[in-house]
Amino acid sequence: AQSVAQPEDQVNVAEGNPLTVKCTYSVSGNPYLFWYVQYPNRGLQFLLKYITGDNLVKGSYGFEAEFNKSQTSFHLKKPSALVSDSALYFCAVRDLIYNQGGKLIFGQGTELSVKP
Amino acid sequence: DAMVIQNPRYQVTQFGKPVTLSCSQTLNHNVMYWYQQKSSQAPKLLFHYYDKDFNNEADTPDNFQSRRPNTSFCFLDIRSPGLGDAAMYLCATSRDRGRGNEQFFGPGTRLTVL
Repeated sequence: AQSVAQPEDQVNVAEGNPLTVKCTYSVSGNPYLFWYVQYPNRGLQFLLKYITGDNLVKGSYGFEAEFNKSQTSFHLKKPSALVSDSALYFCAVRDLIYNQGGKLIFGQGTELSVKP
Repeated sequence: DAMVIQNPRYQVTQFGKPVTLSCSQTLNHNVMYWYQQKSSQAPKLLFHYYDKDFNNEADTPDNFQSRRPNTSFCFLDIRSPGLGDAAMYLCATSRDRGRGNEQFFGPGTRLTVL
């Protein structure tokens, strides 16, 4: 069965410093990986996805993610964090077995806190 | 701008009193999803529609029903809400069922059950 894990419940970063939010996955076959961000009392916003091609994927708001097949990871990164990046981040994988409907399997989420 | 709209944003209902949540989309997407999210946990898929074809998750309680009268609208009906159904309900859409297609989420409806 497909799954993703986000090993850190919370990540604390100082504004201006680089940030990394970790995600590892387990799939049978080629992974289809996504990152979403959720601000308080809001829906999820799509940041970026990996389907195939370059291992470094660039997304919205200056975020990028690095796909590493050997380590089965898809970590979210940003070179310089902003206070406004503080939010809940979800990594997700498309369920390949359940391919009728495109079910997303989410990690448990990582709360990112960026302090001035 | 094309978007996913959910109404109301906040809904309060009484224990056992039926409630309906609404979702509309201007994206003209074929697939519409309903998720339940509790206390900053990961969203949990309840069911989805591919066009008019309804697909229920195996562990979705019978208390939850859905209707999709046309491409633009989808409703979530909770027939007899219990205290455990208090949550954020998220509607999402996807262009089709292709594996690489991202889902677009609405702002959510926060349901309180008294």
